[in-house]
Amino acid sequence: LAKTTQPISMDSYEGQEVNITCSHNNIATNDYITWYQQFPSQGPRFIIQGYKTKVTNEVASLFIPADRKSSTLSLPRVSLSDTAVYYCLVGDNFNKFYFGSGTKLNVKP
Amino acid sequence: EPEVTQTPSHQVTQMGQEVILRCVPISNHLYFYWYRQILGQKVEFLVSFYNNEISEKSEIFDDQFSVERPDGSNFTLKIRSTKLEDSAMYFCASTWEGSRNEQYFGPGTRLTVT
Repeated sequence: LAKTTQPISMDSYEGQEVNITCSHNNIATNDYITWYQQFPSQGPRFIIQGYKTKVTNEVASLFIPADRKSSTLSLPRVSLSDTAVYYCLVGDNFNKFYFGSGTKLNVKP
Repeated sequence: EPEVTQTPSHQVTQMGQEVILRCVPISNHLYFYWYRQILGQKVEFLVSFYNNEISEKSEIFDDQFSVERPDGSNFTLKIRSTKLEDSAMYFCASTWEGSRNEQYFGPGTRLTVT
């Protein structure tokens, strides 16, 4: 599984767009990029997955450059309830997930 | 919306006792997982299970741990002789064939070993 690197923490204000970047220099050809969100004392929740270019759903967008060595999770107009830890995972039809430390996003009023 | 359920929400046990944590995955899912998260630390993979057998397991999943799917709905994690360091949140997850990267996690069982 490709190793990922994310910022430990980020601060934002309500209504702003937040971009969290993840580095995965050793991504393999068959690997997908998946992002999860975790609130305190809850299980992780799937946000979005992509392979290349851009993916958008009702919650977020995922931008993946052509070399796929990084990806950016974009959260539009965050609210206080988006305060959580965000994890980037890279792999191919995981039989096992390895969560890193994630990025702790703190949204302020 | 279907969801993964786990029971109990909190289990307190004494060191050396056996515990069984229960999970009901989403009904049409075929892949099942257990993870744990020690307070303040990252989520750690324990084991994956498919077609009534273990697919992968981590180094944490030693002989003290076992998993079972005793019927068509439940998926259990047994810890034979609990240690203090087994205190953690245990999450069950399930997913379907089409996208194994999209796992659905349960709310977790908080295990406290005293």
